[in-house]
This record gives sequence, structure tokens and C-alpha cells, in this order.
Amino acid sequence: KAGVTQTPRYLIKTRGQQVTLSCSPISGHRSVSWYQQTPGQGLQFLFEYFSETQRNKGNFPGRFSGRQFSNSRSEMNVSTLELGDSALYLCASSLKLAGPFSYNEQFFGPGTRLTVL
Amino acid sequence: AQSVTQLGSHVSVSEGALVLLRCNYSSSVPPYLFWYVQYPNQGLQLLLKYTTGATLVKGINGFEAEFKKSETSFHLTKPSAHMSDAAEYFCAVISTSGTYKYIFGTGTRLKVLA
Repeated sequence: KAGVTQTPRYLIKTRGQQVTLSCSPISGHRSVSWYQQTPGQGLQFLFEYFSETQRNKGNFPGRFSGRQFSNSRSEMNVSTLELGDSALYLCASSLKLAGPFSYNEQFFGPGTRLTVL
Repeated sequence: AQSVTQLGSHVSVSEGALVLLRCNYSSSVPPYLFWYVQYPNQGLQLLLKYTTGATLVKGINGFEAEFKKSETSFHLTKPSAHMSDAAEYFCAVISTSGTYKYIFGTGTRLKVLA
């Protein structure tokens, strides 16, 4: 079974530009979560989608947005890029959502490394 | 709100020595706890998880962790370090306050010395 794939793997942009990152989950997985990883902050949760609906959202500005398609593939968009947006963006997929009496095992992709100049 | 604290952002051990990576959590309810490993230029890979039941959890690559409720700890251990264990390790908990999402620690980079 193919794992989580993310494209592109590397991206260089300049301040003020926008960027779109793509994530294809493991076949059959309906939940996709996005994280920002930086050396100082570790992994910060951005948002989670399930069946094309945003179910959870982290504490990021509105410049960060995402969506999920009917085939569970997901994209995240960052508009008006800032230097501080340089990071590794990780996508994770899981079969289901976590709940009060259940957990969801997440499977991570290799990430997209975004550099903002 | 749940949180995870990993003590020591960098840990060095000699090859063959005991590996101990520390993780403490805060949670008002029994937590779901995870350890992930990240090798250079790769995503995170699940090492092991604690959900319910046995408090000593065995994972891949010879790692294990013990859930200690009284100490709110979930430390990761391996009896004998191997060069291939050099990586970054993340402890995580699933938040149960309102929304159910992963909360990760800041990571511990393990260096194995020959």
C-alpha cells in the first residue's frame, strides 16, 4: 500500500507570494491533518479535514487555509508569504477522527520544505 | 488543556549504551500517548503507542515505553543504542479538551557516538 505523498518536496518562494502544497493520503484514509515544523517551535497543528470538511483548526492566521477533495486528497495554501513561514510542512492521514473514546493513528508524509526569501 | 514536555532537546549516548528519552504529559483524563521518530529528510514514523491496558508498551526497533500515571510520564527506552537510532524523537498526546488533535512535544535529537 502506498504511503502518504506530498508534492512538491522542496519549494522556494519570495515574501508576498502565495503557495499551494498538496497531500495524497493513504488509500482509504479520510482524515488529513497538516502540521508546520520549525526548529524552534516543533510541530504545530494547522488543521484537520475529514470528508471534505475542516474538523479542527490550530492557532494560525487566516493566511493559512486548506481544503480536501472528494478523493480525500488535500491542499493547503499560504498567502502573502512571510519569512517566518519557512518550515517543513507535514501532512498526515488516518482512517478516522479521534474522539472521546478512540484514537486515530496518523501516518506522515515526507513533508514539503518551504523556504521564503 | 493537555500538553507534552520533553526534557532535553539533545541527548548523546554511546553505541551499546542505554537510551532514555523523557516525556511528561499533563492530562485530566487517561491519555492516548505516542512516540514518533523522524529521520533526516523524512516524515514521522510511529514507534509505539499507549492507549489502554498494559502500561509497558513495546514498539519497533527494540524501543519500549512505560506509562506511569502517578508520575505523568511516558519515557522511551532502548537497552542498547545502535548508530541507526540517531534521529529526532517526538512524544505526543491526543488532546481531549474540546477538539481531539495531536499535541507534540518539541522533540529530542538523539546522537549515537561510536
